[in-house]
Amino acid sequence: RKEVEQDPGPFNVPEGATVAFNCTYSNSASQSFFWYRQDCRKEPKLLMSVYSSGNEDGRFTAQLNRASQYISLLIRDSKLSDSATYLCVVNIGRGYQKVTFGIGTKLQVIP
Amino acid sequence: NAGVTQTPKFQVLKTGQSMTLQCAQDMNHNSMYWYRQDPGMGLRLIYYSASEGTTDKGEVPNGYNVSRLNKREFSLRLESAAPSQTSVYFCASSEFGGTDNEKLFFGSGTQLSVL
Repeated sequence: RKEVEQDPGPFNVPEGATVAFNCTYSNSASQSFFWYRQDCRKEPKLLMSVYSSGNEDGRFTAQLNRASQYISLLIRDSKLSDSATYLCVVNIGRGYQKVTFGIGTKLQVIP
Repeated sequence: NAGVTQTPKFQVLKTGQSMTLQCAQDMNHNSMYWYRQDPGMGLRLIYYSASEGTTDKGEVPNGYNVSRLNKREFSLRLESAAPSQTSVYFCASSEFGGTDNEKLFFGSGTQLSVL
């Protein structure tokens, strides 16, 4: 089983729709969690951290479920500019080698 | 504010050639990293430098060497390129690597093809 698993998609959704992605992780000792956004042929950029209590940033909401070992990203009122690949990133503990990236979920928002 | 700058953006090599990818950050970050990204795989860590003067192997170090020239600069060298090293390479930095909540800042990437 991969350490971090994501559905690669693509998820094709109409503008204005709500879309959710999940990401599962295998190591129960995982400490911190993030969502990064990567546009085509560009570098990943931090979208948001994921906190145990859940957190929201505008149209984006991230949730953590430690019992089931997954994190989620919810995007409301999708915009064309949200089209990108969303990378799930898990840090399984202190140490520079402990950051693990998922393969990413591709989102395409359609007019 | 440039952030993380890496060069070149594109490179084509023949098998056996050597080259160095350059990376510099202007955020006064302590830690720097080199990743590679291949289709169907998440980013994989090649080498990292926790702080100036130190370097360590990551998940996929074979065929690469690195130099942390100073706090700002971290270069990646391919001594004898192989087709398996065809990939997109990203340099990244973080303020205090190794903490639970480190946030990575990436350069714009180098598309490398080895023929």
